[in-house]
Amino acid sequence: QKEVEQNSGPLSVPEGAIASLNCTYSDRGSQSFFWYRQYSGKSPELIMFIYSNGDKEDGRFTAQLNKASQYVSLLIRDSQPSDSATYLCAGPNTGTASKLTFGTGTRLQVTL
Amino acid sequence: DVKVTQSSRYLVKRTGEKVFLECVQDMDHENMFWYRQDPGLGLRLIYFSYDVKMKEKGDIPEGYSVSREKKERFSLILESASTNQTSMYLCASSPYAGYGYTFGSGTRLTVV
Repeated sequence: QKEVEQNSGPLSVPEGAIASLNCTYSDRGSQSFFWYRQYSGKSPELIMFIYSNGDKEDGRFTAQLNKASQYVSLLIRDSQPSDSATYLCAGPNTGTASKLTFGTGTRLQVTL
Repeated sequence: DVKVTQSSRYLVKRTGEKVFLECVQDMDHENMFWYRQDPGLGLRLIYFSYDVKMKEKGDIPEGYSVSREKKERFSLILESASTNQTSMYLCASSPYAGYGYTFGSGTRLTVV
């Protein structure tokens, strides 16, 4: 089983809607998770991180961590066309805490 | 803001050439990483370094080597470039274990 898994998408949402991106992980001991946004042809950019169970909000973005069910979510409220990108979920590597393991990413398309 | 600078944005090299990809970070980060990113395969770790002159193999080290003589610089070396090493190469750094990465802008390498 992969350590971090994501649905590759594409996920298509209309402008103004809520986009919900999900990620599951295999290591119950994982403490911290990160969400990266990657525009086509660009490098990943860190947009959210979450260390504890529950929700963390930053502007239009909310990260959710559910350790019991081993999933992490990213909600984007009032989705804009500029949110169209691939979103990568990352968690700590089971072997070495210094390393992150990345999901393969979910492509989000926000339509007009 | 942390800056991770990769020396080249695009490179074209011939099969069999020795190729050097350079990465420099300016925030005294302990950890540095080299990934390659290919469509459908996501980010794959080639090598990482947690201190000067220290390195560890990642998931796909074959055909690559690295050098970290100074804390701020981490070089990736393709000993004899092959066409299957055509890819986007991403360098990243992080200050310590459990912290998110900052990525460089990437080098798109084409081996012909």
